[in-house]
Amino acid sequence: DGGITQSPKYLFRKEGQNVTLSCEQNLNHDAMYWYRQDPGQGLRLIYYSQIVNDFQKGDIAEGYSVSREKKESFPLTVTSAQKNPTAFYLCASSNGEGTEAFFGQGTRLTVV
Amino acid sequence: QKEVEQNSGPLSVPEGAIASLNCTYSDRGSQSFFWYRQYSGKSPELIMFIYSNGDKEDGRFTAQLNKASQYVSLLIRDSQPSDSATYLCAVVGPDSSYKLIFGSGTRLLVRP
Repeated sequence: DGGITQSPKYLFRKEGQNVTLSCEQNLNHDAMYWYRQDPGQGLRLIYYSQIVNDFQKGDIAEGYSVSREKKESFPLTVTSAQKNPTAFYLCASSNGEGTEAFFGQGTRLTVV
Repeated sequence: QKEVEQNSGPLSVPEGAIASLNCTYSDRGSQSFFWYRQYSGKSPELIMFIYSNGDKEDGRFTAQLNKASQYVSLLIRDSQPSDSATYLCAVVGPDSSYKLIFGSGTRLLVRP
């Protein structure tokens, strides 16, 4: 089945630790995205990538890093510099300019 | 000014009524507009996309776009309790034709 897979679904980490969230897609989409959602809030763009080996900061990139070494993969690292990392993280992909994005099931990160 | 604005709601309508959800955007050059539905704890799913001025209908859903007034709306006819969710408006942003920006969402409650 084609789709976007995020893992794990739930993740717990101690404060001060870096953590990497996985996102894989088999839709052959060029563009991939990471969003953060806090309770009762909309989606805020962290990073996006239009093509392999290229990515751009979104509105809240501080404390996060990404890589795009393969078309199908776009991992997100939440670093210890991110002050409030507890949130619901959503990965998405789209097929081209101005087209709709499809989402993975999300990773709920809790930092204690 | 936020790039994409929505009334947070909740918008409460009785079963069978028409629900009207509105969204305004700041960049006059935006070309692509999307409506997503998000159930609590789940990832967003695409309902409609619209690129041209006017109406676009798909089943019980109608998207309306007015680029001159910079608003896009979603009408849900014959609302059902299962339509109760948060509806997110998304716009391809001003900086890039790949940058997809979301509003904060409107919560819809359909009363049986």
